[in-house]
Amino acid sequence: QVQLQESGPGLVKPSQTLSLTCTVSGGSISSGDYYWSWIRQPPGKGLEWIGYIYYSGSTYYNPSLKSRVTISVDTSKNQFSLKLSSVTAADTAVYYCAREETTVTIFDYWGQGTLVTVSS
Amino acid sequence: QSALTQPASVSGSPGQSITISCTGTSSDVGSYNLVSWYQQHPGKAPKLMIYEVSKRPSGVSNRFSGSKSGNTASLTISGLQAEDEADYYCCSYAGSSNVVFGGGTKLTVL
Repeated sequence: QVQLQESGPGLVKPSQTLSLTCTVSGGSISSGDYYWSWIRQPPGKGLEWIGYIYYSGSTYYNPSLKSRVTISVDTSKNQFSLKLSSVTAADTAVYYCAREETTVTIFDYWGQGTLVTVSS
Repeated sequence: QSALTQPASVSGSPGQSITISCTGTSSDVGSYNLVSWYQQHPGKAPKLMIYEVSKRPSGVSNRFSGSKSGNTASLTISGLQAEDEADYYCCSYAGSSNVVFGGGTKLTVL
């Protein structure tokens, strides 16, 4: 059974960089059948796709966040990571990592989510 | 890219059927049979219910079905049960490796 677990600081100051890591267990991140994705959900609001990475390192980002987002992968640790720079209060959200089939939009396994609050 | 449009809320009584619509454009829903639906209970991660417009993952009840016509996709839940009360989100491929979600619909089982 594939499991994903987000980790990282729950509080980030405005203008700083948000950094999260997703650890994958029960399956290899190097499988060519999947993308590894980040999705967020502001409190009381809907889901927003942030982007995804392939095990080879190829990345695809939401155009609205592209200038501030970096997603990377560490296949040796079976982890992938998210960095979001120059954060503001609008970036406060629950951040989810998820596995996505390469036939996109099929997010079949999700982490439990982690709340990141941007506040001084 | 703009979020797909869903009704903010729908409701139905146990045993009834409801349909949630998801309206996009000719650049996303209308162009690709890559629409999925997710169920989210409070405080929980979303769960995949429908993919590729009308396919059900293993383990998802056949009370859930999906369809698409033009730029609008739909999720139908038949034989409503109390456990179906949740938020539902549609998701579509939008070309150029982009993915877009709907704003979400709160389903209330009366």
